[in-house]
Amino acid sequence: GNSVTQMEGPVTLSEEAFLTINCTYTATGYPSLFWYVQYPGEGLQLLLKATKADDKGSNKGFEATYRKETTSFHLEKGSVQVSDSAVYFCAFLNTNAGKSTFGDGTTLTVKP
Amino acid sequence: GAVVSQHPSRVICKSGTSVKIECRSLDFQATTMFWYRQFPKKSLMLMATSNEGSKATYEQGVEKDKFLINHASLTLSTLTVTSAHPEDSSFYICSARDPGRSEETQYFGPGTRLLVL
Repeated sequence: GNSVTQMEGPVTLSEEAFLTINCTYTATGYPSLFWYVQYPGEGLQLLLKATKADDKGSNKGFEATYRKETTSFHLEKGSVQVSDSAVYFCAFLNTNAGKSTFGDGTTLTVKP
Repeated sequence: GAVVSQHPSRVICKSGTSVKIECRSLDFQATTMFWYRQFPKKSLMLMATSNEGSKATYEQGVEKDKFLINHASLTLSTLTVTSAHPEDSSFYICSARDPGRSEETQYFGPGTRLLVL
């Protein structure tokens, strides 16, 4: 069935460190892929997305590339900040069914 | 970007009572809204898809009579937790798609934390 597997957390980094959060998916067809961010006590916000193979989504210094051959959509940032501390969710949208499937989330803590 | 609001943001109720949570799209009309439940340190679980003017579509294992959904207008969907029990305590999040923008993008509300005593 459809599923998203993302790197277990928590992840703790020092400011300006390089970030990678792995995400792989199992889905039928060619879904659109997303990363959402959830700050403490808030709902989810779209961070970036990619709608077809080899597309790269980017926003606020974060990037992720849609890799069809490895069914992956890893999130990266070259230099994290304390304000990036949040929970990150990888997700895909099955456009036929109109439903999204989310990973379990990865908690990132960035220390000064 | 598009804004979705939820009310209340936090509610505490006694076991056996019913609680209504509102989800509004503030600057667009949403024919479809989604209700999710999020457990601590866990992902979002889709509960149901709310369709304006028609019955909601519930996911497998979600009790329709327990979680009543009404999508009475293009900007409002409500989730009523009936006869709430402590195990219903959770973080409930709604989302909506703006048909005037990208079909793939969902806009999420800030969530409602429900605590049933």
